[in-house]
Amino acid sequence: DGGITQSPKYLFRKEGQNVTLSCEQNLNHDAMYWYRQDPGQGLRLIYYSQIVNDFQKGDIAEGYSVSREKKESFPLTVTSAQKNPTAFYLCASSPQSGQTGELFFGEGSRLTVL
Amino acid sequence: DAKTTQPPSMDCAEGRAANLPCNHSTISGNEYVYWYRQIHSQGPQYIIHGLKNNETNEMASLIITEDRKSSTLILPHATLRDTAVYYCIGQDSNYQLIWGAGTKLIIKP
Repeated sequence: DGGITQSPKYLFRKEGQNVTLSCEQNLNHDAMYWYRQDPGQGLRLIYYSQIVNDFQKGDIAEGYSVSREKKESFPLTVTSAQKNPTAFYLCASSPQSGQTGELFFGEGSRLTVL
Repeated sequence: DAKTTQPPSMDCAEGRAANLPCNHSTISGNEYVYWYRQIHSQGPQYIIHGLKNNETNEMASLIITEDRKSSTLILPHATLRDTAVYYCIGQDSNYQLIWGAGTKLIIKP
């Protein structure tokens, strides 16, 4: 089936550790996105990529890093510099950049810092 | 940048039409209005989007006022599975979506 796969679904991390969240899509979409969601709030954009080997910062990029070496993969690293990393992380893709169409989301990764 | 305002919560009886309002008084002429919904702890699901004309698809209808300052999402025959948070979303100057807190819609039997 075509779609977006995020892993792991749940992740626990100790303070000071980096952690990488995986996002893979087999929809042949050009654009991919990472969002963060805190309880009771909407989504906030962390990073997005419109094409392979290129990405842009979103509204809350500090403490995060990404790479886009392959069209189908857009991993997110939550670094120790992120002061409050406990959150629900969502990856999405769209057929074209500019978000003028439908976004397809994965099921999310819930990160808890102990 | 487009900003949207929605009521925090609404109830609707099963089988009735659910009408979800959204105000977006600062929207500009070329900015779309998007609607997504999110069932608890899942990824959001696209519903519909529009610019100035009313739109309809298999999930819902979108009614946009002539001045484009508000819109209403209509779920014609709500079911229990329609219980979710519904987001009315505008765009920023880079065409990225701006998400608010949404409306929590509860469908009651």
